Amino acid sequence: LAKTTQPISMDSYEGQEVNITCSHNNIATNDYITWYQQFPSQGPRFIIQGYKTKVTNEVASLFIPADRKSSTLSLPRVSLSDTAVYYCLVGGRDTGRRALTFGSGTRLQVQP
Amino acid sequence: EAGVAQSPRYKIIEKRQSVAFWCNPISGHATLYWYQQILGQGPKLLIQFQNNGVVDDSQLPKDRFSAERLKGVDSTLKIQPAKLEDSAVYLCASSSLGGNTGELFFGEGSRLTVL
Repeated sequence: LAKTTQPISMDSYEGQEVNITCSHNNIATNDYITWYQQFPSQGPRFIIQGYKTKVTNEVASLFIPADRKSSTLSLPRVSLSDTAVYYCLVGGRDTGRRALTFGSGTRLQVQP
Repeated sequence: EAGVAQSPRYKIIEKRQSVAFWCNPISGHATLYWYQQILGQGPKLLIQFQNNGVVDDSQLPKDRFSAERLKGVDSTLKIQPAKLEDSAVYLCASSSLGGNTGELFFGEGSRLTVL
């Protein structure tokens, strides 16, 4: 399974755009990149998934360069409620295979 | 659609005692996972079931942890005897085999404190 590296923590202010970058140098051809969000006292929640280029949903955007060795989760105009830990995972989507591995994540603190 | 249900939410025991956690996955989800999350760390997979068969239990401390998923639905995770280092949140998740993304749906977790 591809190993991921992401910053331990980030700070931002309300209304700003936050970009969290994840490095995954040994990503395999059939691997997808998935981001989860975790609030205190809750289980992680799926945010977005992508394979290449750009993916956007109502919550975030995911930018993946052509070499796919990194990816950037972009949160537009964050609010206090976006304070959470964000995990980047890399692997296949077939749930019959071994589960993806969570790293330590990036702890995002949004200030007023 | 009902989410993943876990119980109990909180449990405090003394070391060497036993504890059991229960999980009811989302209806129809064939794959069920138990994760251990120690404070300040990411979730660590303990065991993965597909229906009632084990896909991966390589990180399950089998001398003290056991898990079962009878009839391919509910699951129970047991710790006996508990150690201080077992203090953590135990998260259950489920996913659908037919899903497009392999998305995991997590419960709120069971917080264990071992004294």
